[in-house]
Amino acid sequence: DIQMTQSPSSLSASVGDRVTITCQASQDISNYLNWYQQKPGKVPKLLIYDASNLETGVPSRFSGSGSGTDFTFTISSLQPEDIATYYCQQYDNLVTFGGGTKVEIK
Amino acid sequence: EVQLVETGGGLIQPGGSLRLSCAASGFTVSSNYMSWVRQAPGKGLEWVSFIFSDGSTSYADSVKGRFTISRDNSRNTLYLQMNSLRAEDTAVYYCARPPRYWGQGTLVTVSS
Repeated sequence: DIQMTQSPSSLSASVGDRVTITCQASQDISNYLNWYQQKPGKVPKLLIYDASNLETGVPSRFSGSGSGTDFTFTISSLQPEDIATYYCQQYDNLVTFGGGTKVEIK
Repeated sequence: EVQLVETGGGLIQPGGSLRLSCAASGFTVSSNYMSWVRQAPGKGLEWVSFIFSDGSTSYADSVKGRFTISRDNSRNTLYLQMNSLRAEDTAVYYCARPPRYWGQGTLVTVSS
């Protein structure tokens, strides 16, 4: 099974800061990776698909990059409404989620 | 508009069975890859199962042999039959049409 190691597990940043989350796959998954945002009590929301494609309607401050085993998710300028937990998900071989990153405002 | 509505959750004793339903609208379940994902209280997301349009299925090791995914084409509904339930199966269960469409989830609590 493919393991997804996501880091950090939590972070605290100021409004306007650049925030970066990484996800490492235990084997090559090409670009079969999505990023989701989940706010408390809400359903996960797709932000980035196929590693780097911005979902329709998602603000451009969100971006994704990477391929193979190493992936990065970036919020270029953190906003108060971005407080949430973010998950990576691989779908190259079955499906695996990363452990999540809880983003808070400092 | 794509909609997914899960039902069937509730409180069940360990060892019991429950069937979750996911009624879909706005698209045809049988023509799409569909999935179940769960989230234990305060925990992360865990993939449970998927079914392809050709009917092939896969399961997470944690549920293999106990859970069965299926669909009813006439009702445009996805199911998850859960048997031999354990306390660790307690979670909100989401139905999804990956990657972007998710239901609101249904809570399954396994407890005596």
